Order: sequence, then structure tokens, then C-alpha cells
Amino acid sequence: QKEVEQNSGPLSVPEGAIASLNCTYSDRVSQSFFWYRQYSGKSPELIMSIYSNGDKEDGRFTAQLNKASQYVSLLIRDSQPSDSATYLCAFLPRRSGAGSYQLTFGKGTKLSVIP
Amino acid sequence: EAQVTQNPRYLITVTGKKLTVTCSQNMNHEYMSWYRQDPGLGLRQIYYSMNVEVTDKGDVPEGYKVSRKEKRNFPLILESPSPNQTSLYFCASTPSAGTGYEQYFGPGTRLTVT
Repeated sequence: QKEVEQNSGPLSVPEGAIASLNCTYSDRVSQSFFWYRQYSGKSPELIMSIYSNGDKEDGRFTAQLNKASQYVSLLIRDSQPSDSATYLCAFLPRRSGAGSYQLTFGKGTKLSVIP
Repeated sequence: EAQVTQNPRYLITVTGKKLTVTCSQNMNHEYMSWYRQDPGLGLRQIYYSMNVEVTDKGDVPEGYKVSRKEKRNFPLILESPSPNQTSLYFCASTPSAGTGYEQYFGPGTRLTVT
């Protein structure tokens, strides 16, 4: 099983709609989950982190984590054309060896917000 | 300004010619990593470093070397580059390990090996 699964898209939504991005992961023990936004040719930019079950809201963004289902999602409300980018989910698996920090990324979902 | 810097930003080279991509962070972060990003394959970790003189392999370390002689710098070395190392490379840093620590990325280096 792949460690992180994301629908590659493209996902197209009209301006003002809610965009829903989903991610499943393989490591039941993982505690840390992240969503990054990446514009074409640019570096990934952290937009949300979530560490406990439930919802976390930050402006127009809501991250949802369900550890039992090994599922994390990102909702973007009132989508804007400037939200058009690739969204990467990432998690920190518990690998062997103390003190390692090996963030594992999904391949990303490309979002297009149509004006 | 807190940041991760990489140089060069763009590089075109030939097979076999040794090169170094520099990475520096001014946030006193312990952890630093190198990633490569390829279409359809996503971001893959090459090497990471937990502190000065402590490095370990990531998922795709073949053909690369790293060193961490100072906390702020983490250069990526390609001793004998090959065309399959043509990619977009990112350096990243993290304050420490564990829950609650997030990764900050440099601007990227686009490498072409002919």
C-alpha cells in the first residue's frame, strides 16, 4: 500500500464554491498532518497543520482529520482563482530510529478555480 | 527575514561534471532535508540531517552526497551527475523533530543534466 494517496485531479470548481481535497495515509501511529499549497514552479507553502481528530479552521481553510479512518481532508470555502494550485498532503510517519524527521508527501491534487 | 536560501536557482550542466547546490537557513533549525520533485512522482526525500555531523538517507539517496558541518548549511553534492538527476530540488528546514514542528522550504533549484 502506498503511504499517501491523493486524487491527482485536476479538480475544477467554480469561483465561490467549496473545494474539497482528500488524502488517505497508511501509518496508524502518525501524529502530524500537513497541507501544503504549491504554485507551478514554486516551493511548497504550508497552509494547515493538524494533530488531533476533528476539524481545524483557519480563515477560508478547514482541515479535517479522522485517525480511525486514516483520512485527512482540506476544505476551501469561497474558492478564488488565486487558490488554483497543487495541494500536497503530508504526514510524519513513525519510522524506526529516534529523532528522525521524514515528512512523507502525497503526489498532490491540482485544483483549478474557474472565474 | 527568516528564510531558507538555495543557490543556484537554475543550473544546466553536463553528465559527469561534479556540482554542489548550497542550502542555508537563518532560523537555527536542527533538521534540514533535501527533496527532488518530478512530474508524476511527487516530492521525494533524498537526504536529511538531524544536526551537525548527523545525516541519514531518505528515499532516493543514490547518486547524491550531503554534509552538515555547520548548523545553518546543508549542501547537496552530485559527484557525477547523470540525466536522470534532472529535476527540481528543494531544501527544507524544521526546528526540531516531533509533533508540532513544520517544514519550511527554500525556493528550489531547477537542475538540467545533458
